[in-house]
Amino acid sequence: QKEVEQNSGPLSVPEGAIASLNCTYSDRGSQSFFWYRQYSGKSPELIMFIYSNGDKEDGRFTAQLNKASQYVSLLIRDSQPSDSATYLCAASGGSYIPTFGRGTSLIVHP
Amino acid sequence: DAEITQSPRHKITETGRQVTLACHQTWNHNNMFWYRQDLGHGLRLIHYSYGVQDTNKGEVSDGYSVSRSNTEDLPLTLESAASSQTSVYFCASSPTGLVDEQYFGPGTRLTVT
Repeated sequence: QKEVEQNSGPLSVPEGAIASLNCTYSDRGSQSFFWYRQYSGKSPELIMFIYSNGDKEDGRFTAQLNKASQYVSLLIRDSQPSDSATYLCAASGGSYIPTFGRGTSLIVHP
Repeated sequence: DAEITQSPRHKITETGRQVTLACHQTWNHNNMFWYRQDLGHGLRLIHYSYGVQDTNKGEVSDGYSVSRSNTEDLPLTLESAASSQTSVYFCASSPTGLVDEQYFGPGTRLTVT
């Protein structure tokens, strides 16, 4: 069974710090990886996707992928209180049906 | 701008009634999905479709059905609503390609009394 594992948190970081969110996946056939942000009472919103080993940067966000270790991470630099949300990791293996983790709750305190 | 919409946003219904939740996307995506999200379970796939006239069961499909008569719409029907189907329902769509990122609708909060 395909699984994506995330620490549920909450992860609490001070404003301005780097928040590091991690996930691992079980299916070695996974090709694309996604990070979604979900505010309380709202729908998941795509932040970033990555499909090549290494880092991908977009503004304050950096996604990191290590296929050998089956590990994906999301770094948020200069964290803001508005970044407080649940972050979902997902992995997709070509069937167009991603496997979602249960999410990590991030709290950025002033 | 392309978008994905759901209606109604909130619905209260009685046990045993048939309920249909609408999902409409203007991305022109072939792939469409229905999920439910409950505390402690995360997102669970109900049904999905790869294109017109194609529908497939997900991991929690019992008591639900879908139909796909055009590219834009994938309505979800609860044939006989049960209290266990009280949940938040999300529709999503994705393109067909190397990267199949999903775009979610705003959700429908359904309460079955």
